[in-house]
Amino acid sequence: GAVVSQHPSWVICKSGTSVKIECRSLDFQATTMFWYRQFPKQSLMLMATSNEGSKATYEQGVEKDKFLINHASLTLSTLTVTSAHPEDSSFYICSASEFSGSSTDTQYFGPGTRLTVL
Amino acid sequence: GQNIDQPTEMTATEGAIVQINCTYQTSGFNGLFWYQQHAGEAPTFLSYNVLDGLEEKGRFSSFLSRSKGYSYLLLKELQMKDSASYLCAGMDSNYQLIWGAGTKLIIKP
Repeated sequence: GAVVSQHPSWVICKSGTSVKIECRSLDFQATTMFWYRQFPKQSLMLMATSNEGSKATYEQGVEKDKFLINHASLTLSTLTVTSAHPEDSSFYICSASEFSGSSTDTQYFGPGTRLTVL
Repeated sequence: GQNIDQPTEMTATEGAIVQINCTYQTSGFNGLFWYQQHAGEAPTFLSYNVLDGLEEKGRFSSFLSRSKGYSYLLLKELQMKDSASYLCAGMDSNYQLIWGAGTKLIIKP
């Protein structure tokens, strides 16, 4: 089956530093990747949608200059949290889809990255 | 290895009851989640079980048996709006989510 990995699994950083999270599709080409944020026992909040080779589309209320997304290849997307602050501490989950153009295509979810900002 | 199994698709009738099963194998265990995902939307949280037993929340209930590595989501009084994919996800000892492929539930009038 389709596998999506994330790296790192967890990260602790100091306030003001930047953190990069990688999302990889291991056995398929992901035309579209999604980045979510989740607080404990809450629903996943979509942050942005990225298509390979183009700029990401951010959801309302998500600062694009703070959460930089790069989808440089069909198997890799990165989310960089710039100048992280304690309120950015959360569980970040990516998902990947083989197809683009339809929001109803199956998404395969990564295991998540736990970010703690001190 | 770590794995989550759930049926690919189920069909049920409006007003009826449906049970979606999920079996899991994780390295350690920190709970079992159920999410609902409508086409084109982000998954919404339904339930979290970490102890054995049944937890009821309105029309939805979730059950967990840790000894059997088994959970189910029970939906009662089905409504057309319940047509969606239901994702089962286990959390391992490193607090990583292991996702099932999702069960597409089709509700017929």
